[in-house]
Amino acid sequence: NAGVTQTPKFQVLKTGQSMTLQCAQDMNHEYMSWYRQDPGMGLRLIHYSVGAGITDQGEVPNGYNVSRSTTEDFPLRLLSAAPSQTSVYFCASSSGEGTEKLFFGSGTQLSVL
Amino acid sequence: GQNIDQPTEMTATEGAIVQINCTYQTSGFNGLFWYQQHAGEAPTFLSYNVLDGLEEKGRFSSFLSRSKGYSYLLLKELQMKDSASYLCAVRDGDYKLSFGAGTTVTVRA
Repeated sequence: NAGVTQTPKFQVLKTGQSMTLQCAQDMNHEYMSWYRQDPGMGLRLIHYSVGAGITDQGEVPNGYNVSRSTTEDFPLRLLSAAPSQTSVYFCASSSGEGTEKLFFGSGTQLSVL
Repeated sequence: GQNIDQPTEMTATEGAIVQINCTYQTSGFNGLFWYQQHAGEAPTFLSYNVLDGLEEKGRFSSFLSRSKGYSYLLLKELQMKDSASYLCAVRDGDYKLSFGAGTTVTVRA
């Protein structure tokens, strides 16, 4: 059982480049989310989705786009990378019900030069 | 939004007990989670509280007081492998989970 699969693990971009971080889960979870983690600031919610076709903004959505065409996939797009987007990105999913916990992907270390 | 506070760092000796406090302010409390995160790895679930009181799970226990906006994670019989960051997270409403900045626990021999 793969759980939450996140790719790539590492990425270096130049300012202004665009890219997509991939996230897929095989647990039939309705809820999926993207967080960024910066030193001293903890995990901050970028975007989330409560089901296919439904997305919403989190705490720090600017500069990022998401879509949810299937239950399994929830890609995160950086439209025009900026040095301020240098961070570790985590995708997470849960069934979204009651006590259900988040399952995290292994993370992407992104550096924008 | 959320305001979640926890200490930045704590140090303890192997075999000892450490208590990590977390205070929060939220408009729609719907549960509090604790996660463990080792350096360079993803967070993993430790505990969940939605009602007041103590939840015990082996060496780890978590306490919640909703009226005080307060929780703590108690780590007993500390082991070297417990050196990690511990994240307090509060669910607001049905889905959204907001995290504190994390407490780095260092266990010394």
